[in-house]
Amino acid sequence: SSELTQDPTVSVALGQTVKITCQGDSLRRYYASWFQQKPGQAPVLVFYGKDTRPSRIPDRFSGSSSGNTASLTITGAQAEDEADYYCNSRDTTSNLLWVFGGGTKLTVL
Amino acid sequence: QVQLVQSGAEVKKVGDSVKISCTASGYSFSRFYIHWVRQAPGQGLEWMATINPNTGGTSSAQKFQGRVTMSRDTSTSTVHMELGGLRSEDTAVYYCARDNSDSTSSWWFDPWGQGTMVTVSS
Repeated sequence: SSELTQDPTVSVALGQTVKITCQGDSLRRYYASWFQQKPGQAPVLVFYGKDTRPSRIPDRFSGSSSGNTASLTITGAQAEDEADYYCNSRDTTSNLLWVFGGGTKLTVL
Repeated sequence: QVQLVQSGAEVKKVGDSVKISCTASGYSFSRFYIHWVRQAPGQGLEWMATINPNTGGTSSAQKFQGRVTMSRDTSTSTVHMELGGLRSEDTAVYYCARDNSDSTSSWWFDPWGQGTMVTVSS
């Protein structure tokens, strides 16, 4: 199966902009979706497709994609954005399988 | 609202099987695939398998083939995931999540169940 690669840790100063990336061959064909997970909670969808953010998610979250890389950008990071972030897409080896990135722990300083 | 509610925590022995349920509400059950995703303590998310509630058709990650069985009960809008041959490394939180799609290139999992903790001890 294919893999999605994320940086394990990323930090950002309060109020600054941070980009979390996800790389993988499957992203050349399929859009990624992004999830935020806080300790002890289920993952929450924060962005998906070409340019869609669920209505409940603040507009400081945005996404983009180019080639084999998908990105989640937080513009003006807040303390409550400190969490683990996972990307996800279909697997290129079979259209019946899905794969997650290893996750990025975001620290807001 | 659209919601997935999972069954409660389980404690099992090595070699046992565990069956977890996921009950859907707020939408047409048969129209959306359900995925199973697990997370071992301190680890990331791992996709396990998916079921088509309309047909009962299933697909799973290669590492779980032969050990995972899924079924659905359309009368109660419930899917079940049974994992057999439990090992200590199967200790994890197991989540169900609804599949969504708007095209041939965009899919997303939303909402998610609250998670079911499965502890496997020797």
